[in-house]
Amino acid sequence: GIQVEQSPPDLILQEGANSTLRCNFSDSVNNLQWFHQNPWGQLINLFYIPSGTKQNGRLSATTVATERYSLLYISSSQTTDSGVYFCAVSMGANSKLTFGKGITLSVRP
Amino acid sequence: DVKVTQSSRYLVKRTGEKVFLECVQDMDHENMFWYRQDPGLGLRLIYFSYDVKMKEKGDIPEGYSVSREKKERFSLILESASTNQTSMYLCASSSPGGFPSYEQYFGPGTRLTVT
Repeated sequence: GIQVEQSPPDLILQEGANSTLRCNFSDSVNNLQWFHQNPWGQLINLFYIPSGTKQNGRLSATTVATERYSLLYISSSQTTDSGVYFCAVSMGANSKLTFGKGITLSVRP
Repeated sequence: DVKVTQSSRYLVKRTGEKVFLECVQDMDHENMFWYRQDPGLGLRLIYFSYDVKMKEKGDIPEGYSVSREKKERFSLILESASTNQTSMYLCASSSPGGFPSYEQYFGPGTRLTVT
């Protein structure tokens, strides 16, 4: 099956710093999503981005489908950005999501 | 906004009990999914359904069954709960065929503890 690798596994930032989170995947996909898992465990949809670039406030994401990677950018980080960030992909219709292992982000005040 | 709700945030059950986890979505989505999340193992698919009364096994269906009698509701059933089913359970839904997109939306999760 498809493999999803995220890096780095852990990231510690000072409030106000910028960061880049990476997701590599092993095959063509028609769905790529970035999630933030909050302290209560809920997965919050950040981006649906199988290709191209999107921005939402301080967050933006880029997926280069031909090279099989996606990047999530966090600018001017805040303590509330802390948590685990997941990349997940799927192929074809009605397909399950395959998740990466996640990146644990800690933003210190 | 898409809303996916799950019947309980926290649940404690005893070994051998029959357990029902309920999931409801309000977006008229055909596809619904049940995942479990465990430390070190990540999120894994248990079952999914692409239509009423239809179901497909995921990666780890053993010890579980599902029911989809209505389009908006997808139930996960633990026939005889065991301690190794202690986990975080997450339900999701999506539109079929990529229209308007393949995006999956998740519920808040149920933390199940089996003692």
